[in-house]
Amino acid sequence: DTAVSQTPKYLVTQMGNDKSIKCEQNLGHDTMYWYKQDSKKFLKIMFSYNNKELIINETVPNRFSPKSPDKAHLNLHINSLELGDSAVYFCASSQDRGYGTQYFGPGTRLLVL
Amino acid sequence: QKEVEQNSGPLSVPEGAIASLNCTYSDRGSQSFFWYRQYSGKSPELIMSIYSNGDKEDGRFTAQLNKASQYVSLLIRDSQPSDSATYLCAVGKGSQGNLIFGKGTKLSVKP
Repeated sequence: DTAVSQTPKYLVTQMGNDKSIKCEQNLGHDTMYWYKQDSKKFLKIMFSYNNKELIINETVPNRFSPKSPDKAHLNLHINSLELGDSAVYFCASSQDRGYGTQYFGPGTRLLVL
Repeated sequence: QKEVEQNSGPLSVPEGAIASLNCTYSDRGSQSFFWYRQYSGKSPELIMSIYSNGDKEDGRFTAQLNKASQYVSLLIRDSQPSDSATYLCAVGKGSQGNLIFGKGTKLSVKP
């Protein structure tokens, strides 16, 4: 039983392309997140959604657009990919916004060539 | 000043020893604190959460929180080679729910 799943696991693409990463959680959590982990392994919040509503939007380029069709799904669309977008993107979810444990998906390794 | 700071390591300890991992944070209003373990190429997994000053023990792991000193630590007793990983300290920032992560401490337990 996968709690938080992401697709695809690996994504190799050319600069300038548009790509999407999908995330689903079956934990019944209300809040979902997107994190970026760069080559130095620094994990940083990008977005957070609570019951399909955006509650956190850190300083992220407009090329990144999250979409939450329902509270179990949070997708990330990236336009005009750049070399610096290469990273591992983790989806996470939690029950209690602010204080609860966050459970992470397996990550999507994005390489922009 | 970085919001959450950790020694990057690597921290090397012999098998069976106590590993001590430290973390300081800058926001005095922080209420929730977490230690995650991340194996190479894997996602972070929760080891401990702590919300009140003092110690919290779970098996071989003990988390310690001192809000006055803005300091949180993780002790791993009887360290095993399987404990070799990067340990991420995370601090809950306000009611919005996002976690601020430190850069992690890489722990190596030598057999």
